[in-house]
Amino acid sequence: EVQLVESGGGVVQPGGSLRLSCAASGFTFDDYAMHWVRQAPGKGLEWVSLISGDGGSTYYADSVKGRFTISRDNSKNSLYLQMNSLRTEDTALYYCAKDISGGNSGPGYWGQGTLVTVSS
Amino acid sequence: SYELTQPPSVSVSPGQTARITCSGDALPKKYAYWYQQKSGQAPVLVIYEDSKRPSGIPERFSGSSSGTMATLTISGAQVEDEADYYCYSTDSSGNHRGVFGGGTKLTVL
Repeated sequence: EVQLVESGGGVVQPGGSLRLSCAASGFTFDDYAMHWVRQAPGKGLEWVSLISGDGGSTYYADSVKGRFTISRDNSKNSLYLQMNSLRTEDTALYYCAKDISGGNSGPGYWGQGTLVTVSS
Repeated sequence: SYELTQPPSVSVSPGQTARITCSGDALPKKYAYWYQQKSGQAPVLVIYEDSKRPSGIPERFSGSSSGTMATLTISGAQVEDEADYYCYSTDSSGNHRGVFGGGTKLTVL
């Protein structure tokens, strides 16, 4: 059974940093690209970032490019999102999601999310 | 930046057919994906690659795409199908960036 468990969310001041983690199990982790998707309170879904299965290719939404870094440790079956220079508009529930196939097909299975609140 | 456009809301009576549209300039070249999100829950994939249904998704859910519009159809909508629905795709520039539509609230009553 596929399981994705996000952690690392919390309250941080504007300009601060936070590192999110996503622990994966139930599938061959390095066979799949992984996504981060966020959802601000009461708002729609926003795609944030994608990393290839081998970690060699990364892609970002314009809204986070230059501030967020996606990475993965395939030996630990873990996905990460390093978030720097946080802004109040980054407040959201952050989901990690397994790609549908090996490449960039789109988010398939989703975790339950971890909440990030950026506030002074 | 690339955008996908959905109607904010769709309302049907139980047993009727619900159709939710998603328009985007790159849809003739890129697949559309559809997600269902019930209140307080994580999204669930209901259609991928325009028209394929994942295992476990009821047959009443179907998808199609023509030109710049993709459509999610729920044939014989049930009360439990009431949820927010989002389309997803990527733009055609080759930058691999994903984009979600704004979401459609489906009311079944």
